[in-house]
Amino acid sequence: ETGVTQSPTHLIKTRGQQVTLRCSSQSGHNTVSWYQQALGQGPQFIFQYYREEENGRGNFPPRFSGLQFPNYSSELNVNALELDDSALYLCASSFTGRDGYTFGSGTRLTVV
Amino acid sequence: QKEVEQNSGPLSVPEGAIASLNCTYSDRGSQSFFWYRQYSGKSPELIMSIYSNGDKEDGRFTAQLNKASQYVSLLIRDSQPSDSATYLCAVADFNKFYFGSGTKLNVKP
Repeated sequence: ETGVTQSPTHLIKTRGQQVTLRCSSQSGHNTVSWYQQALGQGPQFIFQYYREEENGRGNFPPRFSGLQFPNYSSELNVNALELDDSALYLCASSFTGRDGYTFGSGTRLTVV
Repeated sequence: QKEVEQNSGPLSVPEGAIASLNCTYSDRGSQSFFWYRQYSGKSPELIMSIYSNGDKEDGRFTAQLNKASQYVSLLIRDSQPSDSATYLCAVADFNKFYFGSGTKLNVKP
């Protein structure tokens, strides 16, 4: 059984650019969620996808968007990057969402 | 804004002692409750889930839930230095997941 994998592991972008982060869910999981974790803080919920539809969203602006594909892999897209977007971005997958999530190792994004 | 509150710590306990970690939440509609452990530089890993009032035990870990008081706790018995990490409380309703900022636990040999 493979776990949750994320790519890339590290990324440096310039303010104003756009970025796409990728996630491959754990086998058998059809629910994926994305989180932003700033240093010293808990993960902040960005959104959740279930069977290719967004079905939950946290307090993040529309420039944070996502996709889930038929094989349940997913993407997080962030447009018009700001310096405050620098953080660890975590992807997590679950079978139902109710039974807790398995996290990937994250993508460290630095915006300069 | 739904909130999950935890004492940031650090909480220091000697090896072999019981560590008690606490969490309160604001949304009475929350349905599922989780404890995650996060080592420095690593991603969170699920320790326990609890859905109904009372205690749930798994090895050295016991989760306690009191929905009336909107309170979740985690007890770690026979604490080991390897338990030193940040412990994150997470609360979920149907389709949203909220984490606290975590409590840093130090277990001293």
